[in-house]
Amino acid sequence: AQTVTQSQPEMSVQEAETVTLSCTYDTSESDYYLFWYKQPPSRQMILVIRQEAYKQQNATENRFSVNFQKAAKSFSLKISDSQLGDAAMYFCAYRSAGGATNKLIFGTGTLLAVQP
Amino acid sequence: KAGVTQTPRYLIKTRGQQVTLSCSPISGHRSVSWYQQTPGQGLQFLFEYFSETQRNKGNFPGRFSGRQFSNSRSEMNVSTLELGDSALYLCASSFGSGNTEAFFGQGTRLTVV
Repeated sequence: AQTVTQSQPEMSVQEAETVTLSCTYDTSESDYYLFWYKQPPSRQMILVIRQEAYKQQNATENRFSVNFQKAAKSFSLKISDSQLGDAAMYFCAYRSAGGATNKLIFGTGTLLAVQP
Repeated sequence: KAGVTQTPRYLIKTRGQQVTLSCSPISGHRSVSWYQQTPGQGLQFLFEYFSETQRNKGNFPGRFSGRQFSNSRSEMNVSTLELGDSALYLCASSFGSGNTEAFFGQGTRLTVV
């Protein structure tokens, strides 16, 4: 079975600074997708960034980028130029690419605080 | 394009009762997944429906059930409620499977007293 681990329950960053959130996962599959979701106080999960395991290039979305290390099974999220609106719970998630399923396996989350 | 709509937003039930939660996916999406979010267990997958068929199920007791209608709207039902069923229930819709994005609703906050 696949597992996702986020070892940082809480993180804090100063506005305009850079922060990196860690995520490791365990799987025996070779093809899968990895995601970072943001859950603000409104509770709605919002997709931040997605990485396909077969792509070596790290995904980037504006101020958000990932460091995907497939051999190490590591998938960290870097937030540059942090903004107050980035404060939220961040979840790392895994989805198998096979089996015709959209089932997501989530980590326990990292609560990010942004200090003005 | 309307997002994923979950109703009701808040619900208070008594132990032993049953409850039905509803999820209307984004128009054109055929896949609906349900998740339970609690402080202790985090986000756990309940089940997934695709074109009215359950195609994946999480490790939850039989008190948790669901269904999907021909218009892709989905309901989940919890019978004989227990205090531990208090949680945020999230619904996610996707167009199909594979390299598609899951869009989440705002959830239903269920409190069992």
